[in-house]
Amino acid sequence: EAQVTQNPRYLITVTGKKLTVTCSQNMNHEYMSWYRQDPGLGLRQIYYSMNVEVTDKGDVPEGYKVSRKEKRNFPLILESPSPNQTSLYFCASSLSVNQPQHFGDGTRLSIL
Amino acid sequence: AQSVAQPEDQVNVAEGNPLTVKCTYSVSGNPYLFWYVQYPNRGLQFLLKYITGDNLVKGSYGFEAEFNKSQTSFHLKKPSALVSDSALYFCAVRDNPMDSSYKLIFGSGTRLLVRP
Repeated sequence: EAQVTQNPRYLITVTGKKLTVTCSQNMNHEYMSWYRQDPGLGLRQIYYSMNVEVTDKGDVPEGYKVSRKEKRNFPLILESPSPNQTSLYFCASSLSVNQPQHFGDGTRLSIL
Repeated sequence: AQSVAQPEDQVNVAEGNPLTVKCTYSVSGNPYLFWYVQYPNRGLQFLLKYITGDNLVKGSYGFEAEFNKSQTSFHLKKPSALVSDSALYFCAVRDNPMDSSYKLIFGSGTRLLVRP
């Protein structure tokens, strides 16, 4: 089954404790992206990747890191999480930026 | 900067009536436009897209959207709403490809409520 898998689905943690949210897709997609969803703000793109080893900033990259060492994986790293990063996060992938995105089911992060 | 606006936080319609969810955009050059739907506790699902061609685009679940270049709009429509269409709808636009940008910009979302 074609899918984008995010883990964990839920996480409560404390300020400053490094965390990684994993994202994996099985569709051989080149374009992958991370978004955060906040009430009233819609989805905002954090980072995206055009292909292996090619990443670039979205609209809200501050406080986040990504890497794309393999085509299927695109982890999101919060080196020193802060409460303002409490949000619902989505990973997505597509053949290219002009093609429909396939979204994971989301990761709800709470940073205390 | 490129942007997309969804002017209505919520749209209420009765089942069986036509529905419209509005989206306007601001981009340089030709826009690449998308509609997505989000059901509770799920990720977004693709409905339809416009890149070039016919201004009326047909998509999944009976939805369609009309691209209007002069009004810079891409409104989502359905002739007869179902209660099961109740969800959160997002319009999205690709950032200006002329700038070699590969960003995607989403609107703030419109909640559609279809009452029986």
